[in-house]
Amino acid sequence: EDQVTQSPEALRLQEGESSSLNCSYTVSGLRGLFWYRQDPGKGPEFLFTLYSAGEEKEKERLKATLTKKESFLHITAPKPEDSATYLCAVPGGSYIPTFGRGTSLIVHP
Amino acid sequence: GAVVSQHPSWVICKSGTSVKIECRSLDFQATTMFWYRQFPKQSLMLMATSNEGSKATYEQGVEKDKFLINHASLTLSTLTVTSAHPEDSSFYICSAREVGFDTQYFGPGTRLTVL
Repeated sequence: EDQVTQSPEALRLQEGESSSLNCSYTVSGLRGLFWYRQDPGKGPEFLFTLYSAGEEKEKERLKATLTKKESFLHITAPKPEDSATYLCAVPGGSYIPTFGRGTSLIVHP
Repeated sequence: GAVVSQHPSWVICKSGTSVKIECRSLDFQATTMFWYRQFPKQSLMLMATSNEGSKATYEQGVEKDKFLINHASLTLSTLTVTSAHPEDSSFYICSAREVGFDTQYFGPGTRLTVL
């Protein structure tokens, strides 16, 4: 059974304080890993898809990396508007995704 | 690109009535659409997967007679909550996967409140 574990559950940062979120996974055959951002009361917003170990993708202050067992979402010099819940997911059979429980990030000004 | 809309964004209804939620992929064709339910401060719970022109596949524990899903075209799926009760109150989110691609794109969600 595919499993996705995200850590930490919650993270509080000061504006400008860089950090990383972790997503570890167990799948029978990796067909990609997705990162999403979810604001309260809204649907998840797509950020990145990573397909192979060593791959990296960047978007503004966010950089996602992938190894054979985990993915990291690095946040460089975060701003209060980066506050959100970050979700990762891996597609399983029929591309039905397994989601982690998410990391709730709060960035204080 | 890759925009998914949902309508309505919120709905309040009386117990015993039925509510229909629409999910549309606006700028792409979706072979597969997914319906999720989310409780406060919890992650997404997959309810069902629908493929265009086929019957939906429901996750274990989801009542298919209560949550009717129709995926009539490559751009539209609907979720009908039949005989709604207060315990059906939740945030319902759909997502769509573009033909030939892996990534799912999510709608903005529908807040359902059953009185």
